[in-house]
Amino acid sequence: DSGVTQTPKHLITATGQRVTLRCSPRSGDLSVYWYQQSLDQGLQFLIQYYNGEERAKGNILERFSAQQFPDLHSELNLSSLELGDSALYFCASSSLETQYFGPGTRLLVL
Amino acid sequence: GENVEQHPSTLSVQEGDSAVIKCTYSDSASNYFPWYKQELGKRPQLIIDIRSNVGEKKDQRIAVTLNKTAKHFSLHITETQPDDSAVYFCAASKGDYKLSFGAGTTVTVRA
Repeated sequence: DSGVTQTPKHLITATGQRVTLRCSPRSGDLSVYWYQQSLDQGLQFLIQYYNGEERAKGNILERFSAQQFPDLHSELNLSSLELGDSALYFCASSSLETQYFGPGTRLLVL
Repeated sequence: GENVEQHPSTLSVQEGDSAVIKCTYSDSASNYFPWYKQELGKRPQLIIDIRSNVGEKKDQRIAVTLNKTAKHFSLHITETQPDDSAVYFCAASKGDYKLSFGAGTTVTVRA
């Protein structure tokens, strides 16, 4: 167990809908990262937050947004969902360089 | 940005043999190189990491070597076991805490 929690574990929704994925970092970690992993694909970095502020952006679509709250948990919002958004979404947290991953949310868009 | 290439994409070894995975990176400013193991449907788990001021690091059956001049680093697993079967990802970071991942290597250990 990495200490990073993510909810929900699974999510099934329809095209055009909006969903919110939630992540709670390890105790004491200020940084939160979001990654997307499609079937048979690697880990695509989406976005990083540090102590409530956006720190870095990767290949994040405009339909996706994220935020980190004062209690340091983070939410990833995915809107106008398309079939191709079906993937595993991981959150990771860190205090220094080492990132610890949560169990992921498996999103299926039908 | 940083580009990390990982080879091979698949690797099949006999139980007890060694497995070697190689990664190259493009940005000479990169200074942190972790390796993650991901079992099917599960989260990536850190198995070992190395910083640019060290050439080699070992943890039981796992070792990582770094060649800064050539900009490549490798993962070595000795005495492989069926539980070593997984996808392995290398990554690189240049101190901004953003990791650039390789595409992954699927390792299969044959009993």
